[in-house]
Amino acid sequence: NAGVMQNPRHLVRRRGQEARLRCSPVKGHSHVYWYRQLPEEGLKFMVYLQKENIIDESGMPKERFSAEFPKEGPSILRIQQVVRGDSAAYFCASSSDRETRNNSPLHFGNGTRLTVT
Amino acid sequence: AQSVTQLGSHVSVSEGALVLLRCNYSSSVPPYLFWYVQYPNQGLQLLLKYTTGATLVKGINGFEAEFKKSETSFHLTKPSAHMSDAAEYFCAVSRGMNTGFQKLVFGTGTRLLVSP
Repeated sequence: NAGVMQNPRHLVRRRGQEARLRCSPVKGHSHVYWYRQLPEEGLKFMVYLQKENIIDESGMPKERFSAEFPKEGPSILRIQQVVRGDSAAYFCASSSDRETRNNSPLHFGNGTRLTVT
Repeated sequence: AQSVTQLGSHVSVSEGALVLLRCNYSSSVPPYLFWYVQYPNQGLQLLLKYTTGATLVKGINGFEAEFKKSETSFHLTKPSAHMSDAAEYFCAVSRGMNTGFQKLVFGTGTRLLVSP
């Protein structure tokens, strides 16, 4: 019974390159959340998606960042032209329709640690 | 807006001693409150949650927390620390019922160090 799977676990990019982070939610979950954890800080909400739709992106930087959750396949968080300040751990979480209605706790992945050199 | 304050970025205890990790929250609506634990290079694992009802909540690994509305607190305790409890602990709040989704606001975390 696989949980939320994120890959890669570690990603190193040079400044100016693109980073693509993948998240496969728990099977059957249609709600995906992305959170970012900067060094020595707590997790901060970035974006909430529900199959093909962005529901809330209030925590997403306005430029260079985008997220998608296609009908088929994993959710992707894309960071274009990365800068050193993008170095962080990016966590994905998912929930089912029922869990979302009940406000049940999210299922978190182990994160992708992005390092920008 | 909601916010969470965790007092003390690091807490050190001896094995067998009481663990107390502090969390205070701010919320304009009845909150749902959570404690998560993060082991090195891993994701978040839910320890316990408060939604409604009993204000003393028991979680996994012997942890418990008490919701005190008058103090806007949700401190995490464990009577006797174990070496395996060494990790980072995050308190989080969400807006509770009928929000449509779980938009968690996290504290900055408290690193628990356990010495033999």
